[in-house]
Amino acid sequence: GEDVEQSLFLSVREGDSSVINCTYTDSSSTYLYWYKQEPGAGLQLLTYIFSNMDMKQDQRLTVLLNKKDKHLSLRIADTQTGDSAIYFCAPEADGQNFVFGPGTRLSVLP
Amino acid sequence: NAGVTQTPKFRVLKTGQSMTLLCAQDMNHEYMYWYRQDPGMGLRLIHYSVGEGTTAKGEVPDGYNVSRLKKQNFLLGLESAAPSQTSVYFCASKAERGGRTNSYEQYFGPGTRLTVT
Repeated sequence: GEDVEQSLFLSVREGDSSVINCTYTDSSSTYLYWYKQEPGAGLQLLTYIFSNMDMKQDQRLTVLLNKKDKHLSLRIADTQTGDSAIYFCAPEADGQNFVFGPGTRLSVLP
Repeated sequence: NAGVTQTPKFRVLKTGQSMTLLCAQDMNHEYMYWYRQDPGMGLRLIHYSVGEGTTAKGEVPDGYNVSRLKKQNFLLGLESAAPSQTSVYFCASKAERGGRTNSYEQYFGPGTRLTVT
């Protein structure tokens, strides 16, 4: 089955850029998602990218996909304290299900 | 439009007790999912359903049963709770791709925190 890996922790200063990385194993994943989880809450979709794209930009968010290396990254520009949360990478496995990475806890320091 | 709701929000069980977690969605979604979240392990799929009356096993189905008698509800049962089932449980739903909404998003409930002593 699909394995998804992420670093567990990332700390950045307010105003800096954050880059959260993800590697996965199933090259047939057609959609790859980023979810955000705030404390005590469920997950919310941040953005997603189709596998035939290399990059997608959405306001402060930039997603980069390297299919050859099976590497996905999420860049948050001008990181704010409200961006502190856990971020999950989730490749779509078979059109129905997702496989979630362990999550990266982003801490934004003032 | 409440989205995805879960009951209860918190529960403490003794080993061997049983309980049912209820998930309800009002978005007419075909797909529904149950996940468990444990520290450092992300979300792991327990069971899922692709429509009313259907269920399928996910990554970690042992010790759990599910039922989808109505399209809007997805129930997760623990017949004999064990301490290893202490976790936060999330329900999610998703529209079928190609439907009118053309949505790819899974919508999550707020979670149920279960402790088994």
